[in-house]
Amino acid sequence: GENVEQHPSTLSVQEGDSAVIKCTYSDSASNYFPWYKQELGKRPQLIIDIRSNVGEKKDQRIAVTLNKTAKHFSLHITETQPEDSAVYFCAAISRGGNKLVFGAGTILRVKS
Amino acid sequence: DAEITQSPRHKITETGRQVTLACHQTWNHNNMFWYRQDLGHGLRLIHYSYGVQDTNKGEVSDGYSVSRSNTEDLPLTLESAASSQTSVYFCASSELRAGEQFFGPGTRLTVL
Repeated sequence: GENVEQHPSTLSVQEGDSAVIKCTYSDSASNYFPWYKQELGKRPQLIIDIRSNVGEKKDQRIAVTLNKTAKHFSLHITETQPEDSAVYFCAAISRGGNKLVFGAGTILRVKS
Repeated sequence: DAEITQSPRHKITETGRQVTLACHQTWNHNNMFWYRQDLGHGLRLIHYSYGVQDTNKGEVSDGYSVSRSNTEDLPLTLESAASSQTSVYFCASSELRAGEQFFGPGTRLTVL
């Protein structure tokens, strides 16, 4: 089955700097890769997702890149702000697959 | 507005007791999921359902059961609660199997 590894487990950046979180997956048939943000005490919420027919997707300060050959995808946050501080989860699901498998999460701290 | 709710939000129970956590969504989504969240493990899938009368095991299903008698509800039952089941439980629903999942607010369960 699918296995998703996420790095780093914690990340501290200065306000205004960029943050990058990386995930690798094991199932070459995976075709959907969402990223969720979870603020302290809150529910996870989707912030961006990408499908395997696209290499990159952007939404304002957030972007996701996908390298199918290497089986990894990354979340990029530019011009970080204190409100970006949260836990970020990557996930993957395969075509015809029935399980969204999550990474272990990255705690992002943005220092002002 | 459509939403997904969970009850109770907090529950303390004793080892060996049967516990049922409720999940109710008003989006009319066919797909519903139960996850548990523990430090260092991210979100792990317990059970999921693709429609009425359909239920499937996830990666950590032992000791849990679900039933789907209508589109709106997917209750999660712990047949005989164990201390290892102390966790935060999230219910989610989605329109597409490989698409955005909307999470409920979570239930914090403590088994003493």
